[in-house]
Amino acid sequence: GAVVSQHPSRVICKSGTSVKIECRSLDFQATTMFWYRQFPKKSLMLMATSNEGSKATYEQGVEKDKFLINHASLTLSTLTVTSAHPEDSSFYICSARDPLTSGFYNEQFFGPGTRLTVL
Amino acid sequence: GQNIDQPTEMTATEGAIVQINCTYQTSGFNGLFWYQQHAGEAPTFLSYNVLDGLEEKGRFSSFLSRSKGYSYLLLKELQMKDSASYLCAVRGGLDRDDKIIFGKGTRLHILP
Repeated sequence: GAVVSQHPSRVICKSGTSVKIECRSLDFQATTMFWYRQFPKKSLMLMATSNEGSKATYEQGVEKDKFLINHASLTLSTLTVTSAHPEDSSFYICSARDPLTSGFYNEQFFGPGTRLTVL
Repeated sequence: GQNIDQPTEMTATEGAIVQINCTYQTSGFNGLFWYQQHAGEAPTFLSYNVLDGLEEKGRFSSFLSRSKGYSYLLLKELQMKDSASYLCAVRGGLDRDDKIIFGKGTRLHILP
């Protein structure tokens, strides 16, 4: 299947700082990418849908000014956690669809995730 | 609204068969997915059902009944490496490009 990468895999930061997480589709162009957050032993919670060249669509309860999403190209979306606090510590996972090969399933391919720890 | 229910945890024995159930209530329906997720890793795609019936893929099978809002994932000949969380997910809109909503996941423990 298609490959999605994330960088960094782990990040530790101080409270009040901002952290940028990158999501890249390595061998395909993704017009749509998704950002999820996952707390320990919980399921994936969709945060926002990122569309190339347009504003992201945020899920209810997700602060768009705190979680800035930029989808500047067909292979890159970034999530910036601004003024991070300890409660933002979580596992952040992105996913992308490959419109050419998803075919019948139109499934999402997930990145390996980024573990954010805010001290 | 969207609601996806599945058991929180299950335990089974190596070599046995286990069935993980999932029920859903969504405003629309355009496919149900099962993903496997090992701790600290990203989910990996297992199966997809959009029509009623059973889809078999090796040791894994998935069943869907749209009228009942019900699906199950059947794992046969369980191996220790099958210890993971299994996520039921539904594309709840009418468009194939609609987002996928995940259930809370079922943590499956395999005993030797």
